[in-house]
Amino acid sequence: NAGVTQTPKFQVLKTGQSMTLQCAQDMNHNSMYWYRQDPGMGLRLIYYSASEGTTDKGEVPNGYNVSRLNKREFSLRLESAAPSQTSVYFCASSEFGLAGTGELFFGEGSRLTVL
Amino acid sequence: EDQVTQSPEALRLQEGESSSLNCSYTVSGLRGLFWYRQDPGKGPEFLFTLYSAGEEKEKERLKATLTKKESFLHITAPKPEDSATYLCAVGAQKLVFGQGTRLTINP
Repeated sequence: NAGVTQTPKFQVLKTGQSMTLQCAQDMNHNSMYWYRQDPGMGLRLIYYSASEGTTDKGEVPNGYNVSRLNKREFSLRLESAAPSQTSVYFCASSEFGLAGTGELFFGEGSRLTVL
Repeated sequence: EDQVTQSPEALRLQEGESSSLNCSYTVSGLRGLFWYRQDPGKGPEFLFTLYSAGEEKEKERLKATLTKKESFLHITAPKPEDSATYLCAVGAQKLVFGQGTRLTINP
């Protein structure tokens, strides 16, 4: 059982380049999330999708866009990467909504470095 | 503003040496408090949900407790494989994560 799969696992970008992080879940969950994790900052929510066809901003959405392609897939796009976006990005999914039961299933992370 | 603070930031114990991790919070309309474990290079893994003061949950050597202002994760007779970062999160309008406690258990 794969759970939540993220690609790529590592990426190095130059300032101004664009890229898309892909996420797919096979648990038939309704809600999906993108977080970033930085030292000393904890996990911060970038965007979330409560259900297929909907997306909403989280705590730190600036510089990012998302697409809920279908129930399984939720992508995160950086249109013009900046060094401040160097981080580890986690995709997560849950059966219920944002506060729900709090039981999120996380992918293994995508480590992004912007030079 | 909803806030979660975990202490200590890092804790180093000898195998078998019991201790506790703290998660204090201020949130309006608590819907639940959640503990996660995160191994290096991995995503967080869900451990427990606590909903009301006085509630306790146990899993192997871990026991989580909840009061009105804080939660404790008690680790009894830990083993090296318990080494990880433990994250606390509170749910209100959204999930708010603490910064984590990095636990190291030396053999």
